[in-house]
Amino acid sequence: QQQVKQSPQSLIVQKGGISIINCAYENTAFDYFPWYQQFPGKGPALLIAIRPDVSEKKEGRFTISFNKSAKQFSLHIMDSQPGDSATYFCAATSLLNFGNEKLTFGTGTRLTIIP
Amino acid sequence: EAGVTQFPSHSVIEKGQTVTLRCDPISGHDNLYWYRRVMGKEIKFLLHFVKESKQDESGMPNNRFLAERTGGTYSTLKVQPAELEDSGVYFCASSQGEYQETQYFGPGTRLLVL
Repeated sequence: QQQVKQSPQSLIVQKGGISIINCAYENTAFDYFPWYQQFPGKGPALLIAIRPDVSEKKEGRFTISFNKSAKQFSLHIMDSQPGDSATYFCAATSLLNFGNEKLTFGTGTRLTIIP
Repeated sequence: EAGVTQFPSHSVIEKGQTVTLRCDPISGHDNLYWYRRVMGKEIKFLLHFVKESKQDESGMPNNRFLAERTGGTYSTLKVQPAELEDSGVYFCASSQGEYQETQYFGPGTRLLVL
């Protein structure tokens, strides 16, 4: 039973375009939704995160959109660059879990930005 | 400041053998998590230490997996005996405090069981 569903599995976007990755969750106890970026040979690194009390969070070219009623959230990368080519994971956790903020991850999206 | 380190980076063993993975968290981080990614699937939680104590080991697949965290510093994850389905990338992550703290991941250990 996969608690966080992520799509698409892979994505090819032209340089300068918008990359969009979608996630949906089931557990209503989740209240913190980070996105991780992973380059080959490296571990995942936190990119941006959102709490469900806001519908959108923007950091530079990266934006998370959050729809609490639909239990969906998405990552938008504006003006996508070749250096953004990586695997992106959405994740979710409950911050009220007595200090155990174990992450539940999606399956990952391999993003390729072509010149 | 050094990041999370893991050793070895790769391990190829035969079914039935024993393998021990090591994780050195960022200094001062009380929380240490182990995760695993099987080929093409999601990264799955295995267990969580707070200092030297196991806080949650609900994700450990079975009793062939044993995790320890000596003195609340580095951690080891032993698989004995290894099975084919144990192949994957094992990640370690650490975080500092109790609330909404960023988890910093190591580069992972790629384990292949033949």
